[in-house]
Amino acid sequence: EAQVTQNPRYLITVTGKKLTVTCSQNMNHEYMSWYRQDPGLGLRQIYYSMNVEVTDKGDVPEGYKVSRKEKRNFPLILESPSPNQTSLYFCASSPRGPTNEKLFFGSGTQLSVL
Amino acid sequence: AQSVSQHNHHVILSEAASLELGCNYSYGGTVNLFWYVQYPGQHLQLLLKYFSGDPLVKGIKGFEAEFIKSKFSFNLRKPSVQWSDTAEYFCAVEGGNQFYFGTGTSLTVIP
Repeated sequence: EAQVTQNPRYLITVTGKKLTVTCSQNMNHEYMSWYRQDPGLGLRQIYYSMNVEVTDKGDVPEGYKVSRKEKRNFPLILESPSPNQTSLYFCASSPRGPTNEKLFFGSGTQLSVL
Repeated sequence: AQSVSQHNHHVILSEAASLELGCNYSYGGTVNLFWYVQYPGQHLQLLLKYFSGDPLVKGIKGFEAEFIKSKFSFNLRKPSVQWSDTAEYFCAVEGGNQFYFGTGTSLTVIP
C-alpha cells in the first residue's frame, strides 16, 4: 500500500532531550516536507527536500534539523526540544515537487515537550 | 509576504444546508491552489486542486471551488452538506516550491 509512515504517533519528552521523528514513503517520491500544525495557526512548513541530499528551510525551521540521505526517508531532528515545540507534526511527500502535484500526508506525530 | 487567509474559523450547519468557506491568498507569482480536509483523527487528504484552465474545479464528495484571480480567492462550496462532512478544512497555496496553508476552518454538521 502506498503510504507515508511517521513514527512515533505520540511522544512525550522533556526539555533538552534530543529526539528524532522518522518519516518514510514507499512511493519513490522525490519531494518530502515537514509541517507543524498548531491551533489558530494552521500548518506551517518546517523544512522541505526536493531530492536526496537537497534540503531547504520552510517558514519555521528554527530548532529543527532534517536530513535526506536516502530518497525514502526524511527524519525530523530536534536537538534540544523546548516546550514551544509541542505540536502536531506531519510529514508529506509528492512525486516530483509540490508544483502540479498533490501532497501525500502521514498520520501525524503528536509531540509534547515538558 | 505570502499568506493564506480563511475567514471562517468555526462553522456549524444542519444537514442539507449549503456550504461556502472563504479563502484568500497573497502571492506575487503563479500559484497552484488546493483544499485539504482532515477528518477527526485522520491525516490530511486532498479535496480538490486548481492549476490552470477552468476556474471552477470539482473535487471529491461533491465539493467544488472557484478560483477568482481578480479577488485572489479560492472559495470552497458544497450545495448540501452531510454529517460525514464534519472535519477541518484547509486552503493551501503552492508557490516557489513551498506550500502555505490557511489556519483551517472547523466544520460541524448537525444531523
